[in-house]
Amino acid sequence: QSVLTQPPSVSAAPRQKVTISCSGSSSNIGNNYVFWYQLLPGTAPKLLIYANNKRPSGTPDRFSGSKSGTSATLDITGLQTGDEADYYCGTWDSSLSAGVFGGGTKLTVL
Amino acid sequence: QITLKESGPTLVKPTQTLTLTCTLSGFSLNTRGVGVGWVRRPPGKALEWLALIVWDDNKYYSPSLKSRLTIAKDTSRNQVVLTMTNMDPVDTATYYCAHRGSYGGNYFDYWGQGTLVTVSS
Repeated sequence: QSVLTQPPSVSAAPRQKVTISCSGSSSNIGNNYVFWYQLLPGTAPKLLIYANNKRPSGTPDRFSGSKSGTSATLDITGLQTGDEADYYCGTWDSSLSAGVFGGGTKLTVL
Repeated sequence: QITLKESGPTLVKPTQTLTLTCTLSGFSLNTRGVGVGWVRRPPGKALEWLALIVWDDNKYYSPSLKSRLTIAKDTSRNQVVLTMTNMDPVDTATYYCAHRGSYGGNYFDYWGQGTLVTVSS
């Protein structure tokens, strides 16, 4: 059982937009930065978003993050088949003094 | 260029202790603010955060695994070692080490390729 809650799966057609949600609590998302990772099959996690909404160099601007209260969202616009992957949110939990992840969301581009 | 590489056994028996080494390149744990962590992903399951060690030797552990985990740094070899005791088949996973990002928030910006550890008799 993950500390952060994500939908198990989302899907959309190419060129459409999809939103992945991530829900937590005041001890984690509510008082800490949220980050997002992309896991393509057979590869190591890739940082997509850090500090709620900042993109590392190399992350296309089709990917955007936001946070409100104890929830966060990852938006992906202009979907491509190459975006099919598992997406994880994560943050620090101040009560646990440890990092936490969501359960992951599998994106299917129909 | 920051890189990390995990090494260790690919197969361990139940009850044994797992020792994984992460060899760092392009940065040093002697540098203020630097941290290295471990994350695992069992086959078909979610990422699980395991541990983090930072430059001043502060250490942080997953509460559910804290009694079994030890993280340590060897700055002379530029390595971080994770040990996990009393291994069980449910610990079968790909184990990753990763570099902590510098912005704040304990995220990981560079990752090793991962090493698959299977626990089986």
